[in-house]
Amino acid sequence: QSVLTQPPSASGTPGQGVIISCSGSTSNIGSNTVDWYQQLPGTAPKVLIYSNNERPSGVPDRFSGSKSGTSASLAISGLQSEDEADYYCATWDDSLNGVLFGGGTKLTVL
Amino acid sequence: QVQLVESGGGVVQPGGSLRLSCAASGFTFSIYGIHWVRQAPGKGLEWVAVIWYDGSNKYYGDSVKGRFTISRDNSKDTLYLQMNSLRVDDTALYYCVRDRGYASSWLDFWGQGTLVTVSS
Repeated sequence: QSVLTQPPSASGTPGQGVIISCSGSTSNIGSNTVDWYQQLPGTAPKVLIYSNNERPSGVPDRFSGSKSGTSASLAISGLQSEDEADYYCATWDDSLNGVLFGGGTKLTVL
Repeated sequence: QVQLVESGGGVVQPGGSLRLSCAASGFTFSIYGIHWVRQAPGKGLEWVAVIWYDGSNKYYGDSVKGRFTISRDNSKDTLYLQMNSLRVDDTALYYCVRDRGYASSWLDFWGQGTLVTVSS
């Protein structure tokens, strides 16, 4: 069981929006920035959001991130079929001295 | 372009050892921290270890501490993971990943992974 808690699944229809949550504690999310990763089937993960709310070049602005206290969220607007993937939150943990990943959320576009 | 190419995976018996390598190119390897992250078949991501840009600090996940050793050779732009006392639950795809920040979870480039299978 991961220390960062994500819902195991989420879904929406094309054009809708969805929010994926990530809950942690003061030693991880509460003290450090959060990053989000998208893993398409059969591929390596890629960074979607870094430093809580920054998008790397090439990531559509339909994807946005936020953080408050010991929780973070990834919002996806205007869902598209190609958004169907696994999504992971991640942060540094000061107690572990390492990276924590959430358990992952499988997004289904209905 | 940035490339991270892992190698060294394979099938090993429980209790055995394996050494993974990650060859980096397309960037100045010696100024970045590098992580190993693994993913068991059908499971989520699990952080394994990180090494500072100069090798001065190394940290490990609880499940591999005392069994795995991360190291790097900046003269060869190569990262290593020595894995000893392997267990069945170490079976996973092992990714080499660049840390874009400093001791962070901002992992901006991932290799394609090398598969380690621990089985009798």
